[in-house]
Amino acid sequence: GENVEQHPSTLSVQEGDSAVIKCTYSDSASNYFPWYKQELGKRPQLIIDIRSNVGEKKDQRIAVTLNKTAKHFSLHITETQPEDSAVYFCAARGFQKLVFGTGTRLLVSP
Amino acid sequence: NAGVTQTPKFQVLKTGQSMTLQCAQDMNHEYMSWYRQDPGMGLRLIHYSVGAGITDQGEVPNGYNVSRSTTEDFPLRLLSAAPSQTSVYFCASSPNRDRAYGYTFGSGTRLTVV
Repeated sequence: GENVEQHPSTLSVQEGDSAVIKCTYSDSASNYFPWYKQELGKRPQLIIDIRSNVGEKKDQRIAVTLNKTAKHFSLHITETQPEDSAVYFCAARGFQKLVFGTGTRLLVSP
Repeated sequence: NAGVTQTPKFQVLKTGQSMTLQCAQDMNHEYMSWYRQDPGMGLRLIHYSVGAGITDQGEVPNGYNVSRSTTEDFPLRLLSAAPSQTSVYFCASSPNRDRAYGYTFGSGTRLTVV
């Protein structure tokens, strides 16, 4: 089955810096790669997603890139703000199952 | 349109007790799933359903049962609770069983087994 690895587990940046979170997946049949943000005590919220027929997608300060050959995808957050502090999860969906990475705790210091 | 509704929000069980975590969605989503979230381990898939009457196992199904008699409801049953089942449980739904997009999560159930 699918296996998703996510790095780093924690990431500390200064406000205004960029943050990059990386994930790898194992199942070459996976075709959907969402990213979720989870604030303390809250449910995961979808922030951006990408399909396997697209290499990059942007939404304001957030971008995701996908390298199908290497089976890895990354989340890029530019001009980070304190409200970006949260746990971020990547996920990959193969046949009927959405499998998550173990999460990255992002801390943005003012 | 309430989205995905989970009940209860909190629950404390004694070892060996049984209970059912409820999940309901009002978006006519085909696909529904249950995850558990433990510190440092992300969200792990317990069971999922691609439509009424159809269920299948995820990564960590042992100790849990599910059924899907209607499109709207997907309850998760713990037959004999164990301390290892202490976790936060999330239900999630998606519109289409085959084409992945738009997963919506419920607000979660925090379960403690003592």
